[in-house]
Amino acid sequence: AQSVTQPDIHITVSEGASLELRCNYSYGATPYLFWYVQSPGQGLQLLLKYFSGDTLVQGIKGFEAEFKRSQSSFNLRKPSVHWSDAAEYFCAVDWDNYGQNFVFGPGTRLSVLP
Amino acid sequence: NAGVTQTPKFRILKIGQSMTLQCTQDMNHNYMYWYRQDPGMGLKLIYYSVGAGITDKGEVPNGYNVSRSTTEDFPLRLELAAPSQTSVYFCASSSTVEAFFGQGTRLTVV
Repeated sequence: AQSVTQPDIHITVSEGASLELRCNYSYGATPYLFWYVQSPGQGLQLLLKYFSGDTLVQGIKGFEAEFKRSQSSFNLRKPSVHWSDAAEYFCAVDWDNYGQNFVFGPGTRLSVLP
Repeated sequence: NAGVTQTPKFRILKIGQSMTLQCTQDMNHNYMYWYRQDPGMGLKLIYYSVGAGITDKGEVPNGYNVSRSTTEDFPLRLELAAPSQTSVYFCASSSTVEAFFGQGTRLTVV
């Protein structure tokens, strides 16, 4: 069955430290892949997306993600976390690449220590 | 840019009551979606639409209905509210594969 997993429910990092949030999907083909961020009480904002081509994609707010086909992963990274990055992060997959079948992972909550 | 607008932001319903969550977008997107978000559960797709007059069920459609009479509007109807429908509801629209989200509606059924 198709699924999106984010193994870490909650991550705490110190401000200035590096960050990696994990995302794995199970599917035969390569879907379109996304990372969204949700600040408290807010809707979701797109950080970055991967459709094809270069497997390292750059997004907003200094985030990047790397697609690894062999591992069915699309991990989100940031070299130096800021206190304002504290939020919930969702990996999402569009299985049929036509925008009709978005599936979101359960989310990872990021806390940032001063 | 208004983007995707949802109303109301908050609502408390009694069991058995009905209500409509409104969603409108001004980006002329064909695709629109309704999700519910429960703590620790991510977002679950309730219904989606690929264009005016066309709707289809998502992962968790029971207890909900939708309509899509225009490109802009995609209301979500709860006919007989149940406590299990207490959640945060998000409407989204997309042109092809990038989705834009509304601010959410926090619904409590008591």
